[in-house]
Parts: sequence; C-alpha cells; structure tokens
Amino acid sequence: AQSVSQHNHHVILSEAASLELGCNYSYGGTVNLFWYVQYPGQHLQLLLKYFSGDPLVKGIKGFEAEFIKSKFSFNLRKPSVQWSDTAEYFCAVNVDFGNEKLTFGTGTRLTIIP
Amino acid sequence: DAGVIQSPRHEVTEMGQEVTLRCKPISGHNSLFWYRQTMMRGLELLIYFNNNVPIDDSGMPEDRFSAKMPNASFSTLKIQPSEPRDSAVYFCASSSGVGGSSYNEQFFGPGTRLTVL
Repeated sequence: AQSVSQHNHHVILSEAASLELGCNYSYGGTVNLFWYVQYPGQHLQLLLKYFSGDPLVKGIKGFEAEFIKSKFSFNLRKPSVQWSDTAEYFCAVNVDFGNEKLTFGTGTRLTIIP
Repeated sequence: DAGVIQSPRHEVTEMGQEVTLRCKPISGHNSLFWYRQTMMRGLELLIYFNNNVPIDDSGMPEDRFSAKMPNASFSTLKIQPSEPRDSAVYFCASSSGVGGSSYNEQFFGPGTRLTVL
C-alpha cells in the first residue's frame, strides 16, 4: 500500500526565511500529489496539487512544490515566509485515478516567529 | 455556502457508550469522506461515499465503527461501543465527486474532537 512520509514534524523559522518542507511517498506507479494546509482555528484547505505536466506547481499564497519522480518527492517551498504562514501542512497522494482516496502524511507544524 | 458542517464539535463520553458523529456535505457535492486524525497515525481515511454508496471502507478500523449516508445531504459515523483509543479528531469532507476522480478538491469540515474516558 502507498504511504507518505513527512520527516519534519515541527519547523520553526523567522519571518522572511526560506521554507522547504519535505514529502516523500512510496508507490511505483503514477501518482497525483497534494499539499493541504490547516491554519489555526480553520478548516483543512487545499494549497496546491500536481497531476501531470510541469513538475513545478504553484499554489496559493506564494507556495510552490516540485515533483521529482526519481526521488519520489514532492517538497513544498516558499522563498520568504510570513507570520501568517504559521499552520500545519499535510502532504497527500492519490494512486488510483478512479478512486478519490487520499493517503496523508502525518503533517508538519510550521511556526513563524515575527 | 456554509461549507461542510459537522456536529457535535466536541464530544466527551465514557468507554462503552455509543457515539454518533454527523456531517452535512456541501450542497451539490456527490462524494463524502470520513477521516480520523491522531498524533500517532496522522490523518487517515476511514470511508468514502459517492452518490450515497460506500466506495472504499478499507480504513474502517473494526466492526465497532459504522457509517451511513441515507441521502445526499447527511452522513453519520457511529462508534459502538466506544473505547479510549478512539479518542481523536474526526473530519468529514466532501467533493463534487464528478467521475470519482481525485481531480476533485476535497473540502473539509471543522472536525469533531472525540474524547473517550
């Protein structure tokens, strides 16, 4: 069965620092990849997604992620973080395109210090 | 749109009691998902429905858990009897469900925090 690993459980950064959150999945076939975010007190919401084409995808709020098939990775990046980026970030994978099932990682808590 | 609505938001119960969690999906959405979030296991899909029919229930932990979707606007997740290890946040999500594809964005509710003593 597929799985998703997010090795950074808690990341603390200062404002304006660059961000990279790791996401690795285990599945040998074609995948769809997602990043969801949960801001404090808010619902989980979609940040960005990759289905095919350009492996560098851009999402909301200046976030981007790069799919590297050879590394089974889909890392999330932002060149300059803001205090408002404090949230929990979840990577997810879908491997069955006729099925909407998502497999999530355990999440990374990001804390931005003003 | 009100978004996905879940009730109750918090539930505290004693071991052995029956617990029922409720979800109202976004109007017009055809797929509904139940997830469980714990510190140890993260966010896990328990079951999902498309057009009120269970499509994938491989994540339902055991017979104590059951889920129903009697109509397009309502679903329940029931735990009977509840155990302390069921303590978690339970999320409901819905998507347009068109073609049963993961292209459809899932919209999440606020979650129900369940504590079983």
